Amino acid sequence: EVQLVESGGGLVQPGGSLRLSCAASGFTFSSYWMSWVRQGPGKGLEWVANIKQDGSVKNYVDSVKGRFAISRDNAKNSMYLQTNSLSAEDTAVYYCARYKGNDAYVDLWGQGTLVTVSS
Amino acid sequence: DIQMTQSPSSLSASVGDRVTITCRASQGISNELGWYQQKPEKAPKSLIYAASSLQSGVPSRFSGSGSGTDFTLTISSLQPEDFATYYCQQYNSYPITFGQGTRLEIK
Repeated sequence: EVQLVESGGGLVQPGGSLRLSCAASGFTFSSYWMSWVRQGPGKGLEWVANIKQDGSVKNYVDSVKGRFAISRDNAKNSMYLQTNSLSAEDTAVYYCARYKGNDAYVDLWGQGTLVTVSS
Repeated sequence: DIQMTQSPSSLSASVGDRVTITCRASQGISNELGWYQQKPEKAPKSLIYAASSLQSGVPSRFSGSGSGTDFTLTISSLQPEDFATYYCQQYNSYPITFGQGTRLEIK
């Protein structure tokens, strides 16, 4: 089955860190751009970051630059998001997403993992 | 940044109705636009890419059109499972941005 499964979310204090993981299965992971998209409580969708097939290109939304780092391990069919210096504004469900071809259109979504930043 | 503005923000309709949702980009994005559907507490589902191409497995009652700055998502005959929130997204330039969403409710 073609799927993406996120893990690593949880409750973290302001200023803390979390590493989110996304495990891919059912397709050739190394052939796809991948991305993280988040959704705050009661809010819309927000693109966070994406990464090229070989990891050589990474892009970030300004609000997370310098705090978050996207990476991937094609041998493990996995993508990661290291989140540092977290604040309440980072509280959200984080979705792992696969792009269709080389366009940043998502054709496959994970179920999401919740990150809650609170003291 | 390219701003994506959807209208209306919410909409009430009945089963069988034809519904159109509009998405406007603050600058031209060619046809680099996607549409997504999201139901409460669920992950989004991909519907349309390149403004008018139907994602595999999506019913043909969904269609998209537009180019440049103005785009539409049309549902030709609403079904009970179509009541959800819909988002447009531009992927012409970074940062990738989404519209604020259109909530489609049952009348």
